[in-house]
Amino acid sequence: DTGVSQDPRHKITKRGQNVTFRCDPISEHNRLYWYRQTLGQGPEFLTYFQNEAQLEKSRLLSDRFSAERPKGSFSTLEIQRTEQGDSAMYLCASSLSGRQETQYFGPGTRLLVL
Amino acid sequence: GDSVTQMEGPVTLSEEACLTINCTYTATGYPSLFWYVQYPGEGLQLLLKATKADDKGSNKGFEATYRKETTSFHLEKGSVQVSDSAVYFCALGSGYALNFGKGTSLLVTP
Repeated sequence: DTGVSQDPRHKITKRGQNVTFRCDPISEHNRLYWYRQTLGQGPEFLTYFQNEAQLEKSRLLSDRFSAERPKGSFSTLEIQRTEQGDSAMYLCASSLSGRQETQYFGPGTRLLVL
Repeated sequence: GDSVTQMEGPVTLSEEACLTINCTYTATGYPSLFWYVQYPGEGLQLLLKATKADDKGSNKGFEATYRKETTSFHLEKGSVQVSDSAVYFCALGSGYALNFGKGTSLLVTP
């Protein structure tokens, strides 16, 4: 069990550019989640997948955001036409669905939009 | 909707002092409750959890009891160490997403 990994760990981009983040979940986990955390706040839910199906999206996820999980393994989160307000830590978590479900988080990708 | 309220920090304690971080929740149904810890520059680590009323979660000397009658899940530790300095998040899970509190920053001084 190598844990949840995310890449890159840090990203600096200019306003208007597109960025893509990757998350590799714990191998046997069928659920994968994306959260966003801004300074001084707790993480906020963005979206989640069960296997390859995206089952829920938060209203925080504007049209500029898109997430995929092809083949139900790794996931990508893309932000198009980045804005300064997108600067945040993007956290990925995975879990095994069930009664005692627990989400395990990756180290996060810190995005800074200049 | 479901929500979590936790005490604001920062909390500063001397080593070996007792710690309590208050957390109360509002939820329909029967959520699971969690405490996560975030060390500087790192992601969230699960500290402990409880899945039903009166359950006590414990780990690394930390404890929290799921109190349905007071809708609380307070985090406690009898003797803190410098290495416990971090931000602590209380979270509620019902369905798929976790609802987090704003976090409480703890600084333990030697």
